[in-house]
Amino acid sequence: NAGVMQNPRHLVRRRGQEARLRCSPMKGHSHVYWYRQLPEEGLKFMVYLQKENIIDESGMPKERFSAEFPKEGPSILRIQQVVRGDSAAYFCASSTRDKMNTGELFFGEGSRLTVL
Amino acid sequence: TQLLEQSPQFLSIQEGENLTVYCNSSSVFSSLQWYRQEPGEGPVLLVTVVTGGEVKKLKRLTFQFGDARKDSSLHITAAQPGDTGLYLCAGSGNTGKLIFGQGTTLQVKP
Repeated sequence: NAGVMQNPRHLVRRRGQEARLRCSPMKGHSHVYWYRQLPEEGLKFMVYLQKENIIDESGMPKERFSAEFPKEGPSILRIQQVVRGDSAAYFCASSTRDKMNTGELFFGEGSRLTVL
Repeated sequence: TQLLEQSPQFLSIQEGENLTVYCNSSSVFSSLQWYRQEPGEGPVLLVTVVTGGEVKKLKRLTFQFGDARKDSSLHITAAQPGDTGLYLCAGSGNTGKLIFGQGTTLQVKP
């Protein structure tokens, strides 16, 4: 049973370009979360999605950032017109419906974005 | 806003020593989790505590949930170099999202 798959693992973009990060949850998991992490810091919540629905996007900047989890295919975190401050590791996690409220998430290995 | 404060932020000890990491909040959480993260990887769940006062043991690691469900501690006995990593506590609130503390970086020197 494959774990949470994120790609790309590493992404380099120049300022002003777009970054697209993909996340395929574990099989059978319908809840996806995106977190952002700076070096030696904790994870900052960005957005929580179920299939085709955004449940909580309170941690996601209103501009330039968007997320989706379509009926078919992976979840996508999209950052438009990237700036240097967007450089970070972005982690995706998934859970099942019954584990959602207990916080038992399975994390991917992250996508490391570097903005030049 | 629910916040989790971890202490200490950094800890460097010798192999064989004991240590305790604390996770505190002014908010009540329905459950608390402890994760461990190694460089270049995602966090891995160690334990979930749900009941106030609950104590769980995982080999040399002991986890406790405060009676009021606002705080938790992680105690490691006879630390090993393999315990080195970033330890994160996380709380599950009533909105479905998981909130993380800022983490404790542990270095165990041989």
